[in-house]
Amino acid sequence: RKEVEQDPGPFNVPEGATVAFNCTYSNSASQSFFWYRQDCRKEPKLLMSVYSSGNEDGRFTAQLNRASQYISLLIRDSKLSDSATYLCVAVRNAGNMLTFGGGTRLMVKP
Amino acid sequence: GAVVSQHPSWVICKSGTSVKIECRSLDFQATTMFWYRQFPKQSLMLMATSNEGSKATYEQGVEKDKFLINHASLTLSTLTVTSAHPEDSSFYICSARDFGASGSPLHFGNGTRLTVT
Repeated sequence: RKEVEQDPGPFNVPEGATVAFNCTYSNSASQSFFWYRQDCRKEPKLLMSVYSSGNEDGRFTAQLNRASQYISLLIRDSKLSDSATYLCVAVRNAGNMLTFGGGTRLMVKP
Repeated sequence: GAVVSQHPSWVICKSGTSVKIECRSLDFQATTMFWYRQFPKQSLMLMATSNEGSKATYEQGVEKDKFLINHASLTLSTLTVTSAHPEDSSFYICSARDFGASGSPLHFGNGTRLTVT
């Protein structure tokens, strides 16, 4: 079993839809979590950090559930420009161990 | 914010030659940098963790003699693909964290697309 798992998708949604991704992690020692966005043939870019209290940035909301060991990303009012692969990352060992999920591909269609 | 610069962005080389990729942290000191490889339509795979002033830590299955890592300063790590072969063609990405900033995320270089002919 992979340490960080994501549904690879693709998730095909129409513009304006709300879509949610989950990411599960198996190592309970993981301390912090992030969501990254990766466009085709580009490097990953930080989308947002994930806090236990949940955090929101415009149309994006991230949640962490430590008890169930998963994090989520909710995208409201999807835009065509949201089409990308979304990667979750679990960090442990004082930041020295970062594990990426395999990514979830989102395709937003007109 | 923290920026990581990677060079070159792309390189085409002949089989058997060596290619050096540089990764620099521009506005913070990075005692640790990470090197990833990504094949088309696949996920990021950690190759090795580069440690300033000491040997790199390689992931299982990554040949340390083929992928030479040097982290000579707090702001520079290099990855040298030695005797490159077509199967080494991939997207190589470095990353670093600003360990001086609590909760700092990982910042990526813009990647190097290597094509070995």
